[in-house]
Amino acid sequence: GAVVSQHPSRVICKSGTSVKIECRSLDFQATTMFWYRQFPKQSLMLMATSNEGSKATYEQGVEKDKFLINHASLTLSTLTVTSAHPEDSSFYICSARDPWGGLREQFFGPGTRLTVL
Amino acid sequence: AQSVAQPEDQVNVAEGNPLTVKCTYSVSGNPYLFWYVQYPNRGLQFLLKYITGDNLVKGSYGFEAEFNKSQTSFHLKKPSALVSDSALYFCAVRDPRHTSGTYKYIFGTGTRLKVLA
Repeated sequence: GAVVSQHPSRVICKSGTSVKIECRSLDFQATTMFWYRQFPKQSLMLMATSNEGSKATYEQGVEKDKFLINHASLTLSTLTVTSAHPEDSSFYICSARDPWGGLREQFFGPGTRLTVL
Repeated sequence: AQSVAQPEDQVNVAEGNPLTVKCTYSVSGNPYLFWYVQYPNRGLQFLLKYITGDNLVKGSYGFEAEFNKSQTSFHLKKPSALVSDSALYFCAVRDPRHTSGTYKYIFGTGTRLKVLA
């Protein structure tokens, strides 16, 4: 089945630095990728929808200058958390839409745990 | 507004007993409904999906879900629980209408299933 990877799986950084998270579809071309954020014991909150070659669409309340998304190719989307602060610490999950994915539609990455000190 | 509710934060069940994880939704039209499972520090794994047709949908790992339009519910079930089923379960809904961003999912808050040996 389709596989989506994320890198890194865990990252710890100092407050004020920027962190880049990669989301790759390994064996299919993803027309759309989604970025979610998950707080402890809470649901996944959609942050933005990313289409290859165009600007990402951000959900209400998500700062686009804070969370930069680049969907440079049909297999790669990146999320950059700029000037990270402790409140940005979270579990970030991407998903990729495979137009030929049948029932599953979207395939989720394993997540990236960001800890900002 | 579209929403998904999972009324139980946690469900405990003895191994071998049947399990039910509840989900209700509020969506206009005929939504697509999903169940996903998440293991600690992992991404989401697809269990099953309802589009149309038979109200009982069979999915992965012996799980099934029953769609009830009049009650706007989509409860997840399994006839005999295993300890390895212990995980976090998410119900999700997608608007099937083909307009911009329609592949966005709305997730419930998740239900932690604990199967006791």
